[in-house]
Amino acid sequence: RKEVEQDPGPFNVPEGATVAFNCTYSNSASQSFFWYRQDCRKEPKLLMSVYSSGNEDGRFTAQLNRASQYISLLIRDSKLSDSATYLCVVNRGGYQKVTFGTGTKLQVIP
Amino acid sequence: EAGVTQFPSHSVIEKGQTVTLRCDPISGHDNLYWYRRVMGKEIKFLLHFVKESKQDESGMPNNRFLAERTGGTYSTLKVQPAELEDSGVYFCASSQVSGFSSYEQYFGPGTRLTVT
Repeated sequence: RKEVEQDPGPFNVPEGATVAFNCTYSNSASQSFFWYRQDCRKEPKLLMSVYSSGNEDGRFTAQLNRASQYISLLIRDSKLSDSATYLCVVNRGGYQKVTFGTGTKLQVIP
Repeated sequence: EAGVTQFPSHSVIEKGQTVTLRCDPISGHDNLYWYRRVMGKEIKFLLHFVKESKQDESGMPNNRFLAERTGGTYSTLKVQPAELEDSGVYFCASSQVSGFSSYEQYFGPGTRLTVT
């Protein structure tokens, strides 16, 4: 079993739709969680850190469920510019080593 | 504020040759990381510097890879001799020294290495 697992997609959604991604992690000792966005042939860019209480940034909401060991990302009112690959990143503790998921590809369609 | 920069952006070399990749972290970031993404796979951790010290190099694939960070500023990653399976995109990232924000890593644009 992979340490961090994501549905690779692609998720094809119309503009304005709400879409949600989940990411599961296997190490219960994981401490920090992040969503990164990666555009084609570009570097990953930090989208959101995921806090235990959940957090929201505009149209984006991230949730953490430690009991079930997953994090989620909700995107409301999807824009064409949201089309990208969304990477789930988990910090296993210690010296800030992170593990990446393979990413979920989102395509927002006009 | 300048972000993480990497050089070169692309490199095409023949099997057996040597290549050196460079990363300049965000100014003031003591943590510097190297990652690699092989086509079709997830991004994988290679190693982590805190200032000039190697904090964790457990992800380095073998002894053909050598990373340095003399003076605790920029870092280099040398592959010698390069093999076909070394092809991929090499990312560098940096983060602040402490606190929760030290977990938030900022990535450079990557170096796309092709070994033929």
